[in-house]
Amino acid sequence: YELTQTPSVSVSPGQTASITCSGDKLGNKYASWYQQKPGQSPVVVIYQDTKRPSGIPERFSGTNSGNTATLTISGTQAMDEADYYCQAWDSSTLVVFGGGTKLTVL
Amino acid sequence: QLQLQESGPGLVKPSETLSLTCTVSGGSISSTSYYWGWIRQPPGKGLEWIASISYGGSTYYNSSLRSRVTISVDTSKNQFSLKLRSVTAADTAVYFCARQSSSYGFFDYWGQGTLVTVSS
Repeated sequence: YELTQTPSVSVSPGQTASITCSGDKLGNKYASWYQQKPGQSPVVVIYQDTKRPSGIPERFSGTNSGNTATLTISGTQAMDEADYYCQAWDSSTLVVFGGGTKLTVL
Repeated sequence: QLQLQESGPGLVKPSETLSLTCTVSGGSISSTSYYWGWIRQPPGKGLEWIASISYGGSTYYNSSLRSRVTISVDTSKNQFSLKLRSVTAADTAVYFCARQSSSYGFFDYWGQGTLVTVSS
């Protein structure tokens, strides 16, 4: 099973960034999203398709339907510049990560 | 606050076995709500899930690594471990341990990661 992400996305500060993750019938699995800054461990920003962990800003949101999961960052800030990874899980697929998307805020 | 800490050799010779341990503190490894997993990241590349284990010992492996990997748990020490056999330079990576939701599959707590280099 494979998940495909666009390698890079650029966004201006204050604008909305959308990062997509594609996989066969991904909407039937649970999707999560991780933010990773250089030299740091990944941090989950979205789990169970749409839920935000405590401490994650409200500007982070997620959807998952059909073959695509999307991470949306509204009002993007400079501090959001990072690599973002999607991850899918179900009892048959187990765990799969996407290849990652580098978000540049410029 | 739950903390996870990886430990093990930072340098492994080709064809040998990579062995890492993750020590969990600030909480018990014995919970039905969680699995405990290993994820790796080669330098400059993306994340790759290796394996996960429940506290009861149920194991789940990445099919591409299954033949070389063993994951185990020691509840008495609040630790879980990874063994990767017959390593090559392609196994050079930062290895992370993490807690995984058994219901929704995401990893919510991660260790800081440890770089393991495979070289003679």
